[in-house]
Amino acid sequence: NAGVTQTPKFRILKIGQSMTLQCTQDMNHNYMYWYRQDPGMGLKLIYYSVGAGITDKGEVPNGYNVSRSTTEDFPLRLELAAPSQTSVYFCASSETGGYYGYTFGSGTRLTVV
Amino acid sequence: AQSVSQHNHHVILSEAASLELGCNYSYGGTVNLFWYVQYPGQHLQLLLKYFSGDPLVKGIKGFEAEFIKSKFSFNLRKPSVQWSDTAEYFCAVKESEASGTYKYIFGTGTRLKVLA
Repeated sequence: NAGVTQTPKFRILKIGQSMTLQCTQDMNHNYMYWYRQDPGMGLKLIYYSVGAGITDKGEVPNGYNVSRSTTEDFPLRLELAAPSQTSVYFCASSETGGYYGYTFGSGTRLTVV
Repeated sequence: AQSVSQHNHHVILSEAASLELGCNYSYGGTVNLFWYVQYPGQHLQLLLKYFSGDPLVKGIKGFEAEFIKSKFSFNLRKPSVQWSDTAEYFCAVKESEASGTYKYIFGTGTRLKVLA
């Protein structure tokens, strides 16, 4: 099925470890986004990209990095995991900059201990 | 910057009860408004959206929302809920960027539990 695919679905990290959350979409969308969802806090934008080679910070970028080498892939990198990064991470994409809404991935639940 | 408030954080209803979830936003200009639903263990899905025109918007699964500009509100309604409506509901406002892209401001979500 076409859509946004995120891997892994679950991960437990130790403090100071690093990992990459993968996100890929097969809809040829130019715009891609990373959000984190914390209980009672809604969704906060971490980074977004308007096309291959172009990325920009969102509301809460500290502790994260992204790259966009292809239209399909938008990985999110955590370099030194901290307990504050325990969250559910959602990747999303859109065709027209989000004008008609986003297509979300199924999420990655990350716990940092 | 715009903000979105969802005042009901948890709602518990019995099947067949009517539902209304509140959403208020802060921006005074032209807005585009959305409701997303997140079923347990699943990703967010678009429920309905308002751009312009008829302020009463109908979405999937019998949901509707009414845009009241004077009250800065976009409340979600359903006349008779089902157990399968148990989910978390997010209101969102689309904010235009100078670059021409759009960012969303999401509310904190309302967790709905429908009792069978």
